[in-house]
Amino acid sequence: AQTVTQSQPEMSVQEAETVTLSCTYDTSESDYYLFWYKQPPSRQMILVIRQEAYKQQNATENRFSVNFQKAAKSFSLKISDSQLGDAAMYFCAYSKRSGGGADGLTFGKGTHLIIQP
Amino acid sequence: KAGVTQTPRYLIKTRGQQVTLSCSPISGHRSVSWYQQTPGQGLQFLFEYFSETQRNKGNFPGRFSGRQFSNSRSEMNVSTLELGDSALYLCASSSQGTAYGYTFGSGTRLTVV
Repeated sequence: AQTVTQSQPEMSVQEAETVTLSCTYDTSESDYYLFWYKQPPSRQMILVIRQEAYKQQNATENRFSVNFQKAAKSFSLKISDSQLGDAAMYFCAYSKRSGGGADGLTFGKGTHLIIQP
Repeated sequence: KAGVTQTPRYLIKTRGQQVTLSCSPISGHRSVSWYQQTPGQGLQFLFEYFSETQRNKGNFPGRFSGRQFSNSRSEMNVSTLELGDSALYLCASSSQGTAYGYTFGSGTRLTVV
């Protein structure tokens, strides 16, 4: 079974600084998707960034970027120029690729990101 | 366009009762998934429906069931509620399944007393 591990229960960063959240996963699949979701106090999970395993290029979305190391099964999220609105729980998630279907997301336990003004 | 809508937002039930939660996906989305979020177990996949058919199911007892209607709206039912069923239940919809990620609703907070 797939597992996703986020080793940092909580991280704190000064506003405007850069922070990196760690995620490792375990799977025997070769083709899969990885995601970072953000959950603010409003409870709604918001997709931050996605990465397709067969693409070597790291995904980037504005201030958010990932460092995807397939061999090491590592998928870290870098947030540049941190803003107060970035404060939230961040979840790393995995899903295997299946033809047109959805097999559900496997989530890590989350990292609580605190932004210090 | 409107997001994923879950109703009700909050619910308090007594142990032994049953409960039905509702989810309206984004218009055009045919895949609807359900997740349970608790402080102890984190986020766990319950099941996924696509075009009224359950395609995948997580490791939950048979007390947890769901269905999807022809308009893609989905309901989740939990029978014989236990205290441990207290959780945030999140619904997510997608147009293409996993590939493009899911859009989540704000969840239903269920408290079993």
